[in-house]
Amino acid sequence: NAGVTQTPKFRVLKTGQSMTLLCAQDMNHEYMYWYRQDPGMGLRLIHYSVGEGTTAKGEVPDGYNVSRLKKQNFLLGLESAAPSQTSVYFCASSYGPKQYFGPGTRLTVL
Amino acid sequence: GEDVEQSLFLSVREGDSSVINCTYTDSSSTYLYWYKQEPGAGLQLLTYIFSNMDMKQDQRLTVLLNKKDKHLSLRIADTQTGDSAIYFCAESMADRGSTLGRLYFGRGTQLTVWP
Repeated sequence: NAGVTQTPKFRVLKTGQSMTLLCAQDMNHEYMYWYRQDPGMGLRLIHYSVGEGTTAKGEVPDGYNVSRLKKQNFLLGLESAAPSQTSVYFCASSYGPKQYFGPGTRLTVL
Repeated sequence: GEDVEQSLFLSVREGDSSVINCTYTDSSSTYLYWYKQEPGAGLQLLTYIFSNMDMKQDQRLTVLLNKKDKHLSLRIADTQTGDSAIYFCAESMADRGSTLGRLYFGRGTQLTVWP
């Protein structure tokens, strides 16, 4: 099992550009999450999904959109990137009480 | 609220025990977690404890939970240089009408182990 994988690992964007981060899991988990981690901070929940075709807002959803068209994939989109979205983005999936995290995507917005 | 507080830094000598502390504010937490993050890596689940327990031991790791004081600690016995990392405390609470456990994280404690 690969667990939770994320692509890309690194990305640099200019202000106003758009991009999509892909998260994939091969554990057949229903629940998936997108978090962001900023320096000196814990992780904050952006959006989450309780199953294929469903999404919901977390603590910091503004400026992001998500889609869960397939159970194994959870996409995070930035329509018009801003410097405040420079961060490390982590995807996670869960079954029961355990959440499993991907390796992260480091995004820089200039 | 979902405030999770941790001290930011801890330094210990190799072979000593480390104790990382965490306080949380929401008494309706269902599970409490400890995650480890090494530089440039994702979060690795170390251990977790159900809120009706007061202790859990797993090899070198001991978790203590004081529900009255809303205090969680992680003790690492015989700390090694490979234990140097950031340790995050997190709590989860089931949303109403859902079994989803949303995680709320502390800022993390940087553990440095000196040889």
